[in-house]
Formats: sequence, C-alpha cells, structure tokens
Amino acid sequence: DSGVTQTPKHLITATGQRVTLRCSPRSGDLSVYWYQQSLDQGLQFLIQYYNGEERAKGNILERFSAQQFPDLHSELNLSSLELGDSALYFCASSSGGYPGNYEQYFGPGTRLTVT
Amino acid sequence: SQQGEEDPQALSIQEGENATMNCSYKTSINNLQWYRQNSGRGLVHLILIRSNEREKHSGRLRVTLDTSKKSSSLLITASRAADTASYFCATDPLLTSGTYKYIFGTGTRLKVLA
Repeated sequence: DSGVTQTPKHLITATGQRVTLRCSPRSGDLSVYWYQQSLDQGLQFLIQYYNGEERAKGNILERFSAQQFPDLHSELNLSSLELGDSALYFCASSSGGYPGNYEQYFGPGTRLTVT
Repeated sequence: SQQGEEDPQALSIQEGENATMNCSYKTSINNLQWYRQNSGRGLVHLILIRSNEREKHSGRLRVTLDTSKKSSSLLITASRAADTASYFCATDPLLTSGTYKYIFGTGTRLKVLA
C-alpha cells in the first residue's frame, strides 16, 4: 500500500459527460501528479501540483483541468468526454516539488470507460 | 523515437536467470528513475540514478547510466516469478523553456517462467 488513495476505482460514463477523479496524497507529501495510461498512448504525465500551486504541465488536454486543495488532496476534472479518454488515470505523490529528484508513490488508479 | 524508449518491448526468461532491459532517451536529463508496474496496478518506484552517477545497486537490481550514449540499463539478477511485471524508465529532460516535463518510457514487459 503506497498510502495514496484514489476514488472511484471504476467509472463508466457516456460521451460528452463530465467526471471528477479524486486523489489523496501520502501523509506529508506536498506534490500531486496525474497520469493517464492507455494502450495506444502509454503512460502520459498530465499535470503536477505542489502545495496548491500548479508546478508543471504535460500532455493535458484543454478539456481536462485539475486543482489541489488546501488539505492537499487533488481533483482531476475531465469534461466533454470522448471514447479516446477511456484509460487508467493514476495519481502519484512525492515529498518534493521536482519529480526527477524524488520517489513518486502511485495510487491504485481509476479506470475510466467512456461509452 | 520518443524520449524514454525501453528495449526490448517484451522479455521472457526462466526463473533464476538474469533479465536486462534498456532505456534510451534523447535530451539531457538530471536524473533517471526505474519503476515497476504489475498488471493494471499503480507503479512502484525501484531506483533513482542521478546524471553524475554511473551505477547503482538495490538488492537484486543493478542500474547503469551512460549519459554519453543517453541510455540506462536495469539488470535483475536471479529473477523470480514475482518479478513478472512491466518496467518503465522515467526521465526529467531539461526543456529550452526552462520548464520540465516528466516522461515515462514505453516499458518492457517481463515474464519470468517458473
């Protein structure tokens, strides 16, 4: 158990809908990262927050947004969903703000299926 | 090829044998990390090697880094069935904009046969 929790575990929704994925980092970790993993795109870094502020942006679509709250939990919002958004979404956390320097702890993921 | 490509894509070995997988990247990095992922589960960090290090060990794992060739290798010695997983390298290439991205490779699927 990494100490990172994600809810929900599974999510099935229709195209055009909006969903929110939630992540609680390990106790004491200030950074939260979001990743998307699909068969065709592999593991893609979406975005990182550090202590409430956006730190780095990866391949995150404009239809997607995220935030980190004062209690350090984070939410990833996916809107206008398309079939291609079906994937595993992982959240990870680390103690520091620069991902290359710190071990990241991954949550179990949310499997999103868009029908 | 993209930053962080693992080679081979898939590897099947007998228990007790050594497994070697390689990662190549394109641009200068600060650090390189290796992660393991069991099927459909979250990634688990294995080892971090800094750009000024050439070799690092952790238990049955040995990682090397050759910055001149922009490549790294992960060696698992005396493999066990429990090592069956996908292995990813992750890099933090320095971007000209002064920002960074964190990039995972394509992964090597390792299968250890009992």
